[in-house]
Amino acid sequence: SYELTQPLSVSVALGQTARITCGGNNIGSKNVHWYQQKPGQAPVLVIYRDSNRPSGIPERFSGSNSGNTATLTISRAQAGDEADYYCQVWDSSTDVVFGGGTKLTVL
Amino acid sequence: EVQLVQSGAEVKKPGESLKISCKGSGYSFTSYWIGWVRQMPGKGLEWMGIIYPGDSDTRYSPSFQGQVTISADKSISTAYLQWSSLKASDTAMYYCVRPSVTTLDYWGQGTLVTVSS
Repeated sequence: SYELTQPLSVSVALGQTARITCGGNNIGSKNVHWYQQKPGQAPVLVIYRDSNRPSGIPERFSGSNSGNTATLTISRAQAGDEADYYCQVWDSSTDVVFGGGTKLTVL
Repeated sequence: EVQLVQSGAEVKKPGESLKISCKGSGYSFTSYWIGWVRQMPGKGLEWMGIIYPGDSDTRYSPSFQGQVTISADKSISTAYLQWSSLKASDTAMYYCVRPSVTTLDYWGQGTLVTVSS
């Protein structure tokens, strides 16, 4: 089955740029989606199809996907960006696959 | 406005049965798949399975096949997730989701299931 690998945690200084990676075999050939989950809340879609932002998501959130790595980039990080972030793809054999999740800490 | 509204929190004993629900509104319920996601305490998101309410076509993740049953009643725009015999390890938050192609663009608010003797 297809697997996605994320770092357990990423730290970023306030106002700096955070990058969260999602690794998978030839993930560049798949559509990658990213979700933000704050404590006690349901996940929220922040990037879809590699690099598209849903309405209401700040331009500070961007994404890229190539080769074996997809990346979620958060520019000018704010305290309110502290959350768990999950990448997700659709796999033909198992439908939805999630990465293990990355906890973002803003210092 | 698309909404998925889930049933309330449940506290059950091991061995009991349970059925939780997810009511869709604001869109054609029979035209979109509905899926279920488990999140155990302090852990990540796990895909459980999916149903197409239009014809009740259902697919399960291998990890959940035989452990739960996913169903839907299109007459009341509601999807269900049920257990016949709960275990303590079923304690988790459960989310219903509505995929749009490959994206999970709408999520329910979650239903917390606690299984304890």
